[in-house]
Amino acid sequence: DTGVSQDPRHKITKRGQNVTFRCDPISEHNRLYWYRQTLGQGPEFLTYFQNEAQLEKSRLLSDRFSAERPKGSFSTLEIQRTEQGDSAMYLCASSKEAKAFFGQGTRLTVV
Amino acid sequence: KNEVEQSPQNLTAQEGEFITINCSYSVGISALHWLQQHPGGGIVSLFMLSSGKKKHGRLIATINIQEKHSSLHITASHPRDSAVYICAVLSGTYKYIFGTGTRLKVLA
Repeated sequence: DTGVSQDPRHKITKRGQNVTFRCDPISEHNRLYWYRQTLGQGPEFLTYFQNEAQLEKSRLLSDRFSAERPKGSFSTLEIQRTEQGDSAMYLCASSKEAKAFFGQGTRLTVV
Repeated sequence: KNEVEQSPQNLTAQEGEFITINCSYSVGISALHWLQQHPGGGIVSLFMLSSGKKKHGRLIATINIQEKHSSLHITASHPRDSAVYICAVLSGTYKYIFGTGTRLKVLA
């Protein structure tokens, strides 16, 4: 296993468009996390899955954001009607116990 | 005030210097994680601590649970150590709270 994989690595989109990101966690990891990181800041928690169940969503995750993990394996994060303020690095992490392993992130630029 | 504070925010060192990055937190934690982030965004785990001290190569991490403080030390620093170092605490069973990071630049 090569670790947590995210796709795409970079995405440039026009304001108002929808975007979807994918995260493939380490195969035996039942926990999956999405974080958002803006320039000069540490990552901020967005949402958490245990298997296919979404157990927590941050207030940062507005109605335009939705995340799924339908079979308890890969996860998708969709942003509808993107805004310039959505420009950030979106990080996915997975874990089996306490230690989380991070993907390379998807850098979103909304123009 | 952030729940996880790091200092310094920026650090420039000469190659070979001993470097210390500090992390203080105000919440109860089950573990603390030191992470390294290079330009381009990928985050690499360096250490996970719940007590005491860990060493890996030139890196040493310590934690004092009573004082709610952790330090990351880099001995004999090298330009390839240049990165952002992030402290993250595990609050509860799954939620990480991150510091804003320390941007380290080591000059040759």
